[in-house]
Amino acid sequence: DSGVTQTPKHLITATGQRVTLRCSPRSGDLSVYWYQQSLDQGLQFLIQYYNGEERAKGNILERFSAQQFPDLHSELNLSSLELGDSALYFCASSVVSQGGSYNEQFFGPGTRLTVL
Amino acid sequence: ELKVEQNPLFLSMQEGKNYTIYCNYSTTSDRLYWYRQDPGKSLESLFVLLSNGAVKQEGRLMASLDTKARLSTLHITAAVHDLSATYFCAVDFYNTDKLIFGTGTRLQVFP
Repeated sequence: DSGVTQTPKHLITATGQRVTLRCSPRSGDLSVYWYQQSLDQGLQFLIQYYNGEERAKGNILERFSAQQFPDLHSELNLSSLELGDSALYFCASSVVSQGGSYNEQFFGPGTRLTVL
Repeated sequence: ELKVEQNPLFLSMQEGKNYTIYCNYSTTSDRLYWYRQDPGKSLESLFVLLSNGAVKQEGRLMASLDTKARLSTLHITAAVHDLSATYFCAVDFYNTDKLIFGTGTRLQVFP
């Protein structure tokens, strides 16, 4: 158990719908990352938040958005869902690196999204 | 664009044998991570490699990093069934904390 929690574990929805995935980082971790894992795209970095602020963006679609709240939990919002959005969505957290120290990311159990 | 390639993509090994998984990446980084993923499960951190020449060992697994060659290896010694999983390397994109993952190597160890 990494200490990162994600809810829900499974989500089944229809095309065109909107869903919210939730993540709570490990105690003390200020940085939260979202990743998407699919068979065709592999593991892809979506977005990073640090202490409430967006810090880095990857291949995140405009239909997707995220935020990190004052209690450091994060939510990933996916809207206008398409069949191709079906994937495993992971959240990870880390103690942010400061000038040369490393960034070991600890992953949550994931949310499996199925879009029908 | 940073590319991270692993080979082989699939590895079927007999118990007791040794093998190496390779991870090549295309641009400068001196932070590389290895993760393990069991089917349908999350990613478990295995090794953190932070400098040229770094070598880490845990049980039957040993990881190394050559930043000049942009190459990391994960060596498996005397494989056992419990090592069956998918192994990913991940490179820190220009040391920005943004991890770029390799394609993964699915390892299957049989008796």
